[in-house]
Amino acid sequence: EAAVTQSPRSKVAVTGGKVTLSCHQTNNHDYMYWYRQDTGHGLRLIHYSYVADSTEKGDIPDGYKASRPSQENFSLILELASLSQTAVYFCASSQQGFTEVFFGKGTRLTVV
Amino acid sequence: DAKTTQPDSMESTEGETVHLPCSHATISGNEYIYWYRQVPLQGPEYVTHGLQQNTTNSMAFLAIASDRKSSTLILTHVSLRDAAVYHCILRVAWTGNTRKLIFGLGTTLQVQP
Repeated sequence: EAAVTQSPRSKVAVTGGKVTLSCHQTNNHDYMYWYRQDTGHGLRLIHYSYVADSTEKGDIPDGYKASRPSQENFSLILELASLSQTAVYFCASSQQGFTEVFFGKGTRLTVV
Repeated sequence: DAKTTQPDSMESTEGETVHLPCSHATISGNEYIYWYRQVPLQGPEYVTHGLQQNTTNSMAFLAIASDRKSSTLILTHVSLRDAAVYHCILRVAWTGNTRKLIFGLGTTLQVQP
């Protein structure tokens, strides 16, 4: 079964600190995505990648960086965490021209 | 970006059939309609998708209007496990060969015993 695993599942970070959220997929998918979900908003795309060692900006990339060191792994990096980045973050994977996107269980990030 | 409109919430009772509506008045010809559902502390889970024809699978029936400006997800014999937020989403062409999902706020389905 398709699997996307995120770590950690929850995290508290201090304002101005660096945060790294990790994602691992065993689906052999080319595409991986990072979304954030906030109350009052649908999921919004932050960054995505369609091949290892390359990342692309999504709809809301400001304040975030991404890293895709291998096909299986995709990280989201907050270099200087801010209060406004408190949200639930979802990683996902799919094939090109996908029928289905598979989501992880999410990481709840609280910036204080 | 292409948008969908759904009611904020709906209620049902176990065993009933539920019709979850979605409006996508500005949909383009090559944009697919997707439905995902999400329960607390979990990521969205694929339910079904379609382009023009009605589709059915083990989870739901998707009815798409002939003009494609609206669709309805039909859940039969709902149980407590069907309580979730149901997202009606458009899959749109983006840069190059990339496709992306455009999420709205979804409909919270409550199921009473």
